[in-house]
Amino acid sequence: TQLLEQSPQFLSIQEGENLTVYCNSSSVFSSLQWYRQEPGEGPVLLVTVVTGGEVKKLKRLTFQFGDARKDSSLHITAAQPGDTGLYLCAGYMNRDDKIIFGKGTRLHILP
Amino acid sequence: NAGVTQTPKFQVLKTGQSMTLQCAQDMNHEYMSWYRQDPGMGLRLIHYSVGAGITDQGEVPNGYNVSRSTTEDFPLRLLSAAPSQTSVYFCASSPVIRSNQPQHFGDGTRLSIL
Repeated sequence: TQLLEQSPQFLSIQEGENLTVYCNSSSVFSSLQWYRQEPGEGPVLLVTVVTGGEVKKLKRLTFQFGDARKDSSLHITAAQPGDTGLYLCAGYMNRDDKIIFGKGTRLHILP
Repeated sequence: NAGVTQTPKFQVLKTGQSMTLQCAQDMNHEYMSWYRQDPGMGLRLIHYSVGAGITDQGEVPNGYNVSRSTTEDFPLRLLSAAPSQTSVYFCASSPVIRSNQPQHFGDGTRLSIL
């Protein structure tokens, strides 16, 4: 059973366009993290959201945690080729000492 | 800053062979974990440890053993390798297992079982 569903799986868009990727679950999470992974490397943390409804901005990236803490979105404004990579969401539940990862969205920005 | 170091980076094994994937961190992190990453499957948790001497199973533990004799090291053992264990393996650590703590990942070990 996949607790965290990410959509879309793949996205290829032109430089300068905007995009949103989603991370959804039927479970409630204490927090949700977004990571970016480049080929041949491990994932690197972008942001952690903890409070329902929380919005965090990282330059052109905007992250939102759903009010019910079951879902999250990542919006990229004016995408750049440097944004290309695999974006992973990860959820933490207080009841377990575990972090669960989604399958990821593979993003490709065309110059 | 070394962070999380995984060795080897690449390995090819024959079915039935055994090997140990090494993971070391120099950040004095209590929490360490092992994931495997397969195409279209994301990161799946194999085993994790909340501190020295304590380990527990994750989502896909079968065929793998771990131990945590020190805070720094968390080796993953394959006792009898199978082709289904061909994957990229990532080790991660964090200060403690709390909701706002980042996971620090190594660069992975790419393992092929023939």
